[in-house]
Amino acid sequence: AQSVTQLDSQVPVFEEAPVELRCNYSSSVSVYLFWYVQYPNQGLQLLLKYLSGSTLVKGINGFEAEFNKSQTSFHLRKPSVHISDTAEYFCAVSGRETSGSRLTFGEGTQLTVNP
Amino acid sequence: SQTIHQWPATLVQPVGSPLSLECTVEGTSNPNLYWYRQAAGRGLQLLFYSVGIGQISSEVPQNLSASRPQDRQFILSSKKLLLSDSGFYLCAWNWGGKQYFGPGTRLTVT
Repeated sequence: AQSVTQLDSQVPVFEEAPVELRCNYSSSVSVYLFWYVQYPNQGLQLLLKYLSGSTLVKGINGFEAEFNKSQTSFHLRKPSVHISDTAEYFCAVSGRETSGSRLTFGEGTQLTVNP
Repeated sequence: SQTIHQWPATLVQPVGSPLSLECTVEGTSNPNLYWYRQAAGRGLQLLFYSVGIGQISSEVPQNLSASRPQDRQFILSSKKLLLSDSGFYLCAWNWGGKQYFGPGTRLTVT
């Protein structure tokens, strides 16, 4: 079984500032890792994923995340945020051996970008 | 291309009334399908998943049920809604190592 901890429930930042949303996971097997974004009143959208290969993963809208196996972390970063980045962000993990690739989600981090 | 549909988009139902939410997938066959719920202020919770017609696995015991009458159709139901059933319900399917989500249904139980 897997679990995901998003360390910050709310992150307020000013426009054009850098941001890091933290995510730690635990698992007894190798994992795939994901970040999803949910804009107000919309469904989930995949930001980026780590399946294998390079530990630095680049996604849409200028976001990137780095997989750190020793620290079991998958933190999401953006060097300069915009007002339009205000949304809820979810970190998720699935076990590579898990039938059906079920996802376990963190509780979410609300990113609020202020002018 | 593959698409996933959910309806209705929003729903307001009184306590004790029945529920039926439908999800259909186009452009693929024999997909793994999932129902998630996001309660206000909380993360996503997997409710049910299905690997084929008539095959349903429940992750959390509750007053909801799911059915898969056809390969690309996944239905979430309840006989009597509770206030705690309010939330955002997402259907998803799995392909190529990642999950794709439908637009969601916002359910408010009054």
